[in-house]
Amino acid sequence: NAGVTQTPKFQVLKTGQSMTLQCAQDMNHEYMSWYRQDPGMGLRLIHYSVGAGITDQGEVPNGYNVSRSTTEDFPLRLLSAAPSQTSVYFCASSYSAVAGGRTNEQYFGPGTRLTVT
Amino acid sequence: AQTVTQSQPEMSVQEAETVTLSCTYDTSESDYYLFWYKQPPSRQMILVIRQEAYKQQNATENRFSVNFQKAAKSFSLKISDSQLGDAAMYFCAYRSAFGGGATNKLIFGTGTLLAVQP
Repeated sequence: NAGVTQTPKFQVLKTGQSMTLQCAQDMNHEYMSWYRQDPGMGLRLIHYSVGAGITDQGEVPNGYNVSRSTTEDFPLRLLSAAPSQTSVYFCASSYSAVAGGRTNEQYFGPGTRLTVT
Repeated sequence: AQTVTQSQPEMSVQEAETVTLSCTYDTSESDYYLFWYKQPPSRQMILVIRQEAYKQQNATENRFSVNFQKAAKSFSLKISDSQLGDAAMYFCAYRSAFGGGATNKLIFGTGTLLAVQP
């Protein structure tokens, strides 16, 4: 099992450019999510998905789009990058969208460091 | 809405000594989970320890233990016999025990950067 993978690891964009951060998991997890990490602010939820074809907004969704066409993949799209989107982005997944307990731990990818100039 | 507060931006400990990281949270829910995550310079988020709110017994994992005070909404992490490899950012996090959608999300504190002095 590769677990949760993210590509790229690092990216530099110019203001106004678009790009897609890739996230994939091979654990057949139902629930997937994207967080951003900023200094002094911890991790904040951007978007999440409870299954293929179902997505919803988290705490800080503006400027980001997501889709979930397969169970494995959950890409995050920046349509027009802004300097405020400079951050470290984490993808996470868990077995179920509804179950509690130890079996529903969230697994994190290694993160993508994005810089927008 | 639930919130998590870590009031210590930075801490330092001597190797082999014990250190306690503080975390408080606010919620109106009766059942939930609390976590401590470690983030070393590699950026990888590593789950250190978890606590179910319905359990009165404090969780322990080897050198890591928690002091869970439900009434006070306090969840501190104690690291015993600190090692150089413990140096990292530590995040306290909350998750609702009620399943479904946004309630499955983790709510993080702002983190405590732990330095371990040789």
